[in-house]
Amino acid sequence: AQSVTQLDSQVPVFEEAPVELRCNYSSSVSVYLFWYVQYPNQGLQLLLKYLSGSTLVKGINGFEAEFNKSQTSFHLRKPSVHISDTAEYFCAVSDIGGQGGKLIFGQGTELSVKP
Amino acid sequence: DVKVTQSSRYLVKRTGEKVFLECVQDMDHENMFWYRQDPGLGLRLIYFSYDVKMKEKGDIPEGYSVSREKKERFSLILESASTNQTSMYLCASRKGGRDEQYFGPGTRLTVT
Repeated sequence: AQSVTQLDSQVPVFEEAPVELRCNYSSSVSVYLFWYVQYPNQGLQLLLKYLSGSTLVKGINGFEAEFNKSQTSFHLRKPSVHISDTAEYFCAVSDIGGQGGKLIFGQGTELSVKP
Repeated sequence: DVKVTQSSRYLVKRTGEKVFLECVQDMDHENMFWYRQDPGLGLRLIYFSYDVKMKEKGDIPEGYSVSREKKERFSLILESASTNQTSMYLCASRKGGRDEQYFGPGTRLTVT
């Protein structure tokens, strides 16, 4: 069975500082990996995804993530955060060829950007 | 643009009532999902459907049922609402394994 662990439930950071949100997964098969963001009182929207190829993936709003197969990690990074990045971030995994394209989500990381 | 809509943003129901949450997607996606979201627990899958009239249990199906009579519509039913079903409910749809999952805005259900 697959599982996703987000190692930090809350990450406070000052504006313009760099940030890394950590995600580890476990799976016995090859996977696709996703990061989603949820702003207050909204649904989730896709930040970026890794399907294959280059292990460094760039997404919207200046975020990027690196797939590390040996460490089964998919950490999200941004070199300089803004107040508007305050949100909850979810890492998710689905196995290639899985029925229905079911996603397994982590518990979420609350990013709080302070002025 | 893909759009997933949910029938209500906020809903207040009494214990024991039958509750229907409706979800509609407009992009002809085969797969649809219902999640509940609770602080510290992330998103937990209740049920999903990969075709009309097909459904599969997710991780927490107890106390819930679903209906998918048309491809674009996926309904979540609470047969007899209880206070521990107070939560945010998110609907999503997806074409297939490589594609992103699109979410609705959520329904915040309070059962009193």
